[in-house]
Amino acid sequence: DARVTQTPRDKVTEMGQEVTMRCQPILGHNTVFWYRQTMMQGLELLAYFRNRAPLDDSGMPKDRFSAEMPDATLATLKIQPSEPRDSAVYFCASGLGTGETQYFGPGTRLTVL
Amino acid sequence: DQQVKQNSPSLSVQEGRISILNCDYTNSMFDYFLWYKKYPAEGPTFLISISSIKDKNEDGRFTVFLNKSAKHLSLHIVPSQPGDSAVYFCAASATGSARQLTFGSGTQLTVLP
Repeated sequence: DARVTQTPRDKVTEMGQEVTMRCQPILGHNTVFWYRQTMMQGLELLAYFRNRAPLDDSGMPKDRFSAEMPDATLATLKIQPSEPRDSAVYFCASGLGTGETQYFGPGTRLTVL
Repeated sequence: DQQVKQNSPSLSVQEGRISILNCDYTNSMFDYFLWYKKYPAEGPTFLISISSIKDKNEDGRFTVFLNKSAKHLSLHIVPSQPGDSAVYFCAASATGSARQLTFGSGTQLTVLP
């Protein structure tokens, strides 16, 4: 049963600390997306990659957020320094480049105190 | 500017009856539409999709209808079951956008036994 996995599932940290979230896309999927879900904004696209290359990260606050794909099996989203307004659930999704359906991981719930 | 809108934040339906969830969009470039279901503490799960060349797609108890002239789509669940209780997100994408999904804000469906 192929699934997108994300770690950690929950993260509580203090303002100013660095946070790294990890995602393992479904094997064979070449497109990876990072979303953030908040009560106010719903599901927002932060960034996405195709074949490990970043295609669009316009949804991300550039000064503190960074997204990378060190290899085809790992995508990371880093926040440095974190702020209370970053508190949200962060989802990773993967898909096939030519397909339209994205498959989501369980999310990382981030709380910044 | 919300390009995909779900105007009903919640909907309650009796078990066995039909659930109808609605979604409106404003971007005429959207040509692929999806519905996702989300349970608490889990990522969104793909449910059903429809291409703009069709006006209806059916999968078991789930049917999605697309009215392009009205820029409106709906998801029908018949018969509704208590296990269908979840948040339902409508999403849309456009050719050439690398299949970025734009999500609605979600509708909480509660199916009462």
